[in-house]
Amino acid sequence: AQSVTQLDSQVPVFEEAPVELRCNYSSSVSVYLFWYVQYPNQGLQLLLKYLSGSTLVKGINGFEAEFNKSQTSFHLRKPSVHISDTAEYFCAVSTTGNTPLVFGKGTRLSVIA
Amino acid sequence: KAGVTQTPRYLIKTRGQQVTLSCSPISGHRSVSWYQQTPGQGLQFLFEYFSETQRNKGNFPGRFSGRQFSNSRSEMNVSTLELGDSALYLCASSTDRVSGANVLTFGAGSRLTVL
Repeated sequence: AQSVTQLDSQVPVFEEAPVELRCNYSSSVSVYLFWYVQYPNQGLQLLLKYLSGSTLVKGINGFEAEFNKSQTSFHLRKPSVHISDTAEYFCAVSTTGNTPLVFGKGTRLSVIA
Repeated sequence: KAGVTQTPRYLIKTRGQQVTLSCSPISGHRSVSWYQQTPGQGLQFLFEYFSETQRNKGNFPGRFSGRQFSNSRSEMNVSTLELGDSALYLCASSTDRVSGANVLTFGAGSRLTVL
């Protein structure tokens, strides 16, 4: 069965600084990888996804992530964060076949003015 | 295009009662998944329905059940509520897994408080 580890539960960062949110996964088969964002009192919004092809994936709001199969990682990056990026970010993995999406525990990003 | 709609958004119940939550998926989406979100356990998969059939089930007790109707709308029911059932219940819909991937679009959730 697949699993996801988000290495940091909280990440504080100053406004306009770069940020990286780390995600590692475990799976014995090929994977699909996702990052979702959750703002307070809301559901999850898809930021980006890796299904196949280029390992560098660009998403909404200036975020990007790189799939690294040898490191089993899918880290999320943004070169310059804004106050509005303050939210909780979830990494998720699924595999081929009818398997459900499995989420990490989340990383709370706090952007400081 | 309307998103995933969950009702009610907030509800308060007492221990021992039961609750039914509703989810209307995006038009054309035939798969509906349910997740429970709590501060301690994070996002945990409850079940997935496709074409009125349960396709996957998570590791929850039998008090948690669901169903899907012919119009793809889904409901989940929790009977004999316990304090630990207090959570945000998230519904997500998707088209079928054409490429094998289940890309989920989430609703805003139903926040259940059990007193």
